[in-house]
Amino acid sequence: DIQMTQSPSSLSASVGDRVTITCRSSQTISKSLNWYQQKPGKAPKLLIYGASRLQSGVPSRFSGSGSGTDFTLTINSLQPEDFATYYCQQSYTSWTFGQGTTVEIK
Amino acid sequence: QVQLVQSGGEVKKPGASVKVSCKASGYSFTNYGIIWVRQAPGQGLEWMGWISGYNDNTDYAQKFQGRVTMTRDTSTSTAFMDLRSLTSDDTAVYYCARWATLVRSDAFDIWGQGTVVIVSS
Repeated sequence: DIQMTQSPSSLSASVGDRVTITCRSSQTISKSLNWYQQKPGKAPKLLIYGASRLQSGVPSRFSGSGSGTDFTLTINSLQPEDFATYYCQQSYTSWTFGQGTTVEIK
Repeated sequence: QVQLVQSGGEVKKPGASVKVSCKASGYSFTNYGIIWVRQAPGQGLEWMGWISGYNDNTDYAQKFQGRVTMTRDTSTSTAFMDLRSLTSDDTAVYYCARWATLVRSDAFDIWGQGTVVIVSS
């Protein structure tokens, strides 16, 4: 099974900050990497697919990059509604999620 | 609009089974697969399995093989997830989501609201 490891597990940031979350896969997955946002008590929401493609309706301050085994989610100018937990997910072989990164208010 | 609506919460005793439904609307049900993901309290997301939109093909995570069955009813555009031999470790929110093939990837683009399943004696 492909394992996904996110870092950090949590971070504190302020509105307006630039935030970067990394995700590493245990084997190469090309660009088969998606990012989801989940707020407390809500279902996850697809943000980025194919490592760097923005899902329709998602603000352009979200961006993704990477290929192979190392990937990054960047949030430029963090907004109050962005405080949430973010998960990476590989879709190369079946599907596996990272353990999540919680973005908290500093 | 495109949406998935899940059945209501359940409370089950250890050893029992639970069947969760997921009704699709706003799109062609047979054009997309459905996946099931669960989330234990305070924990992350765990993929359980997938059922094809085109036929009844399924793929289950190894952890759940032999204990889960995913089915669908195309006449009502509804997917079902049946989990047997429940233990307290199965207490979680269960989500269905639409599986979409996208550029360079596939992803879960529409999610149900979640169904809380509590297993307690």
